[in-house]
Amino acid sequence: EADIYQTPRYLVIGTGKKITLECSQTMGHDKMYWYQQDPGMELHLIHYSYGVNSTEKGDLSSESTVSRIRTEHFPLTLESARPSHTSQYLCASSVSGSQRGDSYNEQFFGPGTRLTVL
Amino acid sequence: KNQVEQSPQSLIILEGKNCTLQCNYTVSPFSNLRWYKQDTGRGPVSLTIMTFSENTKSNGRYTATLDADTKQSSLHITASQLSDSASYICVVSDRGSTLGRLYFGRGTQLTVWP
Repeated sequence: EADIYQTPRYLVIGTGKKITLECSQTMGHDKMYWYQQDPGMELHLIHYSYGVNSTEKGDLSSESTVSRIRTEHFPLTLESARPSHTSQYLCASSVSGSQRGDSYNEQFFGPGTRLTVL
Repeated sequence: KNQVEQSPQSLIILEGKNCTLQCNYTVSPFSNLRWYKQDTGRGPVSLTIMTFSENTKSNGRYTATLDADTKQSSLHITASQLSDSASYICVVSDRGSTLGRLYFGRGTQLTVWP
């Protein structure tokens, strides 16, 4: 199993609360990602980072923000949670490599945080 | 628009039986294709990864095939077990960006009954 951790695993909060979802990896990977996944739907990239002090928005517009002060840590923050933020949030990290001349980007996923906003 | 389509959406089989899941993609330029297994409430775990030059890869009872010409892949599960019940996600990566962008299918929900 990959060494990537997410806390909390489950979170139920009221509207308007500020929350931070934690993600840490001990593999020394430079790239890290946050995905949002609703039941029966595909994963959508909401944030990614190439390395320390690098953060970018993904395909799916999100009101969340991220930071990357340390290589191993990539927290996601919602300043004011709303019911529309209810979803599963998956963190991932990757290392680039090559095989037979082709490049690949093996991503390892954390267990996810199931967020419910009431 | 780059897309990954999977079929069937859901599948129920009896323990011990074989099954095949399908994936069609339009991602270009293609870099690699991988199959992930996602248990309920967990993150996806990689089963296989195939580059353009590979057309089959096995991981225990899981065998993936890739036809880069028709842009199709399949995942064959042999002698299914109850623990195989999960969502199986096809993921395609392009080579057109530094990020190594991933495109996810919606998954096939497999249920294995005793």
